[in-house]
Amino acid sequence: QLQLQESGPGLVKPSETLSLTCTVSGGSINSSSYFWGWIRQPPGKGLEWIGSIYYSGGTYYTPSLKSRVTISVDTSKNQFSLKVSSVTAADTAVYYCARRLVRGPTIDYWGQGTLVTVSS
Amino acid sequence: QSALTQPRSVSGSPGQSVTISCAGTSSDVGGNNFVSWYQQEPGKAPKLLIYDVNKRPSGVPDRFSGSRSGNTASLTISGLQDEDEADYYCCSYAGSYTFVVFGGGTKLTVL
Repeated sequence: QLQLQESGPGLVKPSETLSLTCTVSGGSINSSSYFWGWIRQPPGKGLEWIGSIYYSGGTYYTPSLKSRVTISVDTSKNQFSLKVSSVTAADTAVYYCARRLVRGPTIDYWGQGTLVTVSS
Repeated sequence: QSALTQPRSVSGSPGQSVTISCAGTSSDVGGNNFVSWYQQEPGKAPKLLIYDVNKRPSGVPDRFSGSRSGNTASLTISGLQDEDEADYYCCSYAGSYTFVVFGGGTKLTVL
């Protein structure tokens, strides 16, 4: 059974960089059938797609966040990572890592989510 | 790209049917066959309910069904049960196959 687990600091100061890692177990990140992505959900609000990465390194970011977001992959560790720079309180959210099918916006596996709070 | 439009809340009594709409444009919902729906219980990660407009993953009860008419997709839950009380989100491509957009979410209350 595929499992995804987010890890990283739960508290980040304003203007600093938020960094999270997703570790994939029970399956390989080296697959041509999937994208590996990040989604966030501010407290009490809806889901927002952040972006995704292909195992070969190709990245796709939502336009509103593109200037501040970097997603990378480490196939040797079966991990992929998210960095969001110059964070503000508006970046406070539960961050989910997930697996998305290449052939459609179908997200079939999700991590449990991790709350990141931006505060001084 | 803008979020897809869903009603903020719907409600129904046990045993009834409810339908949640997801309105988009010809660039997203109406422009491809890849609409998906997710159920999110409080404090939990979303769970895939419907993909490719009307397909159910294994393990999802057939009480859940999806459809689309023009630029609006719909999720219908028949034989409503108490455990169906949750938030529901639709999802589609947005303009190109590399961008994904969610609906704003609908809270289902079982009366």
